[in-house]
Amino acid sequence: NAGVMQNPRHLVRRRGQEARLRCSPMKGHSHVYWYRQLPEEGLKFMVYLQKENIIDESGMPKERFSAEFPKEGPSILRIQQVVRGDSAAYFCASSPPGLAGGGVEQFFGPGTRLTVL
Amino acid sequence: AQRVTQPEKLLSVFKGAPVELKCNYSYSGSPELFWYVQYSRQRLQLLLRHISRESIKGFTADLNKGETSFHLKKPFAQEEDSAMYYCALDSSNTGKLIFGQGTTLQVKP
Repeated sequence: NAGVMQNPRHLVRRRGQEARLRCSPMKGHSHVYWYRQLPEEGLKFMVYLQKENIIDESGMPKERFSAEFPKEGPSILRIQQVVRGDSAAYFCASSPPGLAGGGVEQFFGPGTRLTVL
Repeated sequence: AQRVTQPEKLLSVFKGAPVELKCNYSYSGSPELFWYVQYSRQRLQLLLRHISRESIKGFTADLNKGETSFHLKKPFAQEEDSAMYYCALDSSNTGKLIFGQGTTLQVKP
């Protein structure tokens, strides 16, 4: 099992462009989480998805950010019209089907480092 | 508001010394608490969770509801323990984790 895959590992965008970050969960996992880590800070929850459903997006900025986890293919975190403040490491995690909470372990990807020029 | 605080950004000890990484949380319910670790050039991985009451790599953590703490302890630090350690809280039963700011543990030879 290759683990959670994220690509690209590094992404450079100019202000105003779009950024698309991809996450392939571990085989058999149906829960996907996105976290953002700003410089010198801990990880902050953004969104929790299951296949074709957004379960909790309480951590997502109201504008420019969206996430999906289609029936086929990876989960996508999309940032439109990026600004310098979006520069951060974005981590994806997955967990197996069943109860998502209750002490279930999340498996993390290596992260995508987004730099906005 | 739910919050996790790790007051130390950096903890530096000598090999063989005891280690305690502090974690305090703010949550009124029954928390699910975790310690995650990130070794150099590796991805974030689970170290231990309070629900399991386990000891991993010699580390233990006890939930103290009175002090709202979940400190990570090891009696004798090893150089290979050098890493970034994150305390995390799952308060929602959806797996939404609230992380502390992280503590870098540096074990000197």
